[in-house]
Amino acid sequence: AQRVTQPEKLLSVFKGAPVELKCNYSYSGSPELFWYVQYSRQRLQLLLRHISRESIKGFTADLNKGETSFHLKKPFAQEEDSAMYYCALFDNYGQNFVFGPGTRLSVLP
Amino acid sequence: KAGVTQTPRYLIKTRGQQVTLSCSPISGHRSVSWYQQTPGQGLQFLFEYFSETQRNKGNFPGRFSGRQFSNSRSEMNVSTLELGDSALYLCASSLGTGTGTYEQYFGPGTRLTVT
Repeated sequence: AQRVTQPEKLLSVFKGAPVELKCNYSYSGSPELFWYVQYSRQRLQLLLRHISRESIKGFTADLNKGETSFHLKKPFAQEEDSAMYYCALFDNYGQNFVFGPGTRLSVLP
Repeated sequence: KAGVTQTPRYLIKTRGQQVTLSCSPISGHRSVSWYQQTPGQGLQFLFEYFSETQRNKGNFPGRFSGRQFSNSRSEMNVSTLELGDSALYLCASSLGTGTGTYEQYFGPGTRLTVT
């Protein structure tokens, strides 16, 4: 079955430190992977998608098919990055999204 | 473009009642998905509609149902409410027509409280 795991429920880093939010998936095919973010009192929104290979707000994520991972990274965390981050996989067979449990990132001053 | 809108934003119901939630997608989006978000279970997929047809369904009981209208607006209905149905119900829309078009745009959610 398709599954997305995010091993850390809470991740705390200091401002200016590097941050890596882990995401692993299980999927029998070529996955389409996304990171969504939910800032306090805001709606869930797309942060980035692997097919675009883009950097948004300094975040990047590389799909590693060998390790079945799609970790989200930023070299220098900012306080405004504090939010809930969800890794998601689009299941092309079932035509639906599977979301991970989320990681709450807290960037300390 | 206007974003995804959901009504009502907050709702309080008692056990046994039924409730209908509404979602208006982004103009041009034909796919609407519904999710239940709770602190314990996170985001769980309910169902997805595309061009008025249910294209996919999550693992929820039959008390949860939905429909989509010709203008892509969607409604979700929960009958015989239980305390455990208290949650934030999120609607998301997408083009949903092929690779690269499935990214979802979320509404603000409807907070349902069952007492």
